[in-house]
Amino acid sequence: QGRLAESGGGVVQPGRSLRLSCVASGFTFSQYGLHWVRQAPGRGLEWVATISYDGNTRVYGDFGTGRFSVSRVKSGSTLYLEMNSLRPDDTATYFCAKDQRKFVTGENNGLDVWGQGTTVTVSS
Amino acid sequence: QSTLTQPASVSGSPGQSITFSCTGTSSDIGLYDFVSWYQQHPDKAPTLIIFDVTHRPSGVSARFSGAKSANTASLTISGLRPEDEGTYYCSSFSTGNTMLFGGGTKLTVL
Repeated sequence: QGRLAESGGGVVQPGRSLRLSCVASGFTFSQYGLHWVRQAPGRGLEWVATISYDGNTRVYGDFGTGRFSVSRVKSGSTLYLEMNSLRPDDTATYFCAKDQRKFVTGENNGLDVWGQGTTVTVSS
Repeated sequence: QSTLTQPASVSGSPGQSITFSCTGTSSDIGLYDFVSWYQQHPDKAPTLIIFDVTHRPSGVSARFSGAKSANTASLTISGLRPEDEGTYYCSSFSTGNTMLFGGGTKLTVL
């Protein structure tokens, strides 16, 4: 089924930038769409961004449009989330997750593999 | 984008059946049969238990079942067990290739 491992979290001042990484293993990276989902302390899940299996479709939650950028690199099987102009309300654990089905665009059949999450704290 | 609406908490006794609701709109749950449910235990990543409204991934107990009517999806757990305790999130595909999550329902097994 595969494995995902996030990294890159930490404490950052408001207005600064941070790049999260997610390394995939155990499945054919180029065949699956990938997602970032975040969870603020004590709160629910919130979808952040999606990138299609081929990288041609990238979609963002309203709060991330213009500030966040999702990308993927086939060599190294790595997903990225570049976050700019960070705000205190971006403080959360950020999870990467994988589509259950291959070659999916224009639908969502569930996210079957999740990483353990990486924590981002935005504070002065 | 708004979130899907879920009750904050629900409780039940071992052996009982319990149903969670998830209300959306005609732009998400009412439009697509792409509703998923996730179980999350404290300090753990979510796990997928239902996809495409009614389907279970391999390895998920048949005690979990999903349904949908109009703009509302539901998850039923039959034969409640102590290990079912946790928080359950619904999710739906939405217009613009976006994804929505519900606020989560915390299940307590009495």
